[in-house]
Amino acid sequence: KNQVEQSPQSLIILEGKNCTLQCNYTVSPFSNLRWYKQDTGRGPVSLTIMTFSENTKSNGRYTATLDADTKQSSLHITASQLSDSASYICVVLGGATNKLIFGTGTLLAVQP
Amino acid sequence: SQTIHQWPATLVQPVGSPLSLECTVEGTSNPNLYWYRQAAGRGLQLLFYSVGIGQISSEVPQNLSASRPQDRQFILSSKKLLLSDSGFYLCAWSVQGSGELFFGEGSRLTVL
Repeated sequence: KNQVEQSPQSLIILEGKNCTLQCNYTVSPFSNLRWYKQDTGRGPVSLTIMTFSENTKSNGRYTATLDADTKQSSLHITASQLSDSASYICVVLGGATNKLIFGTGTLLAVQP
Repeated sequence: SQTIHQWPATLVQPVGSPLSLECTVEGTSNPNLYWYRQAAGRGLQLLFYSVGIGQISSEVPQNLSASRPQDRQFILSSKKLLLSDSGFYLCAWSVQGSGELFFGEGSRLTVL
């Protein structure tokens, strides 16, 4: 079964600290993987997209990694800010019908 | 640039009443359009998607329906709301053949 699992479910960190969010998937075949940021009560916004051949991609303080062999991705946030408080959703495009499969997200709270 | 508008932002409706959520996209032609529902603590659930005017695919059987009367207009409806229809509804669009979704701001529906 094609699934996307994220961990941790929630995370609390202090402002200025780094953190890493995990995404494991069983989707096959694999097309690409995206990380979205969703502020509370808002629609998700794309942070980055990873294709099969890409290992690392950065977007400002956000760095995503992909290991297509182990089917794992991570999102690393450097020098966290209060505005980073949000839900981070991992989405994989793939499967026999090439559909989007969503993880349940990691809820990040950055405290001063 | 492309924009997506979704309304109303919040809605409180009694059980058994009708529903109409509207979504429009600007700045692009022939987009794929989607309606998702997000329940608390759960991932986004695809309800409907459309690849063209009048073409609607339903992913989950329910008492909701969708219509696409114009190329860039997508409407989510119900004739009689149930308590279980409460949730956060998101409209999204993507370029044909691309997996990247652009989300609207969401509509919070509370059925009492």
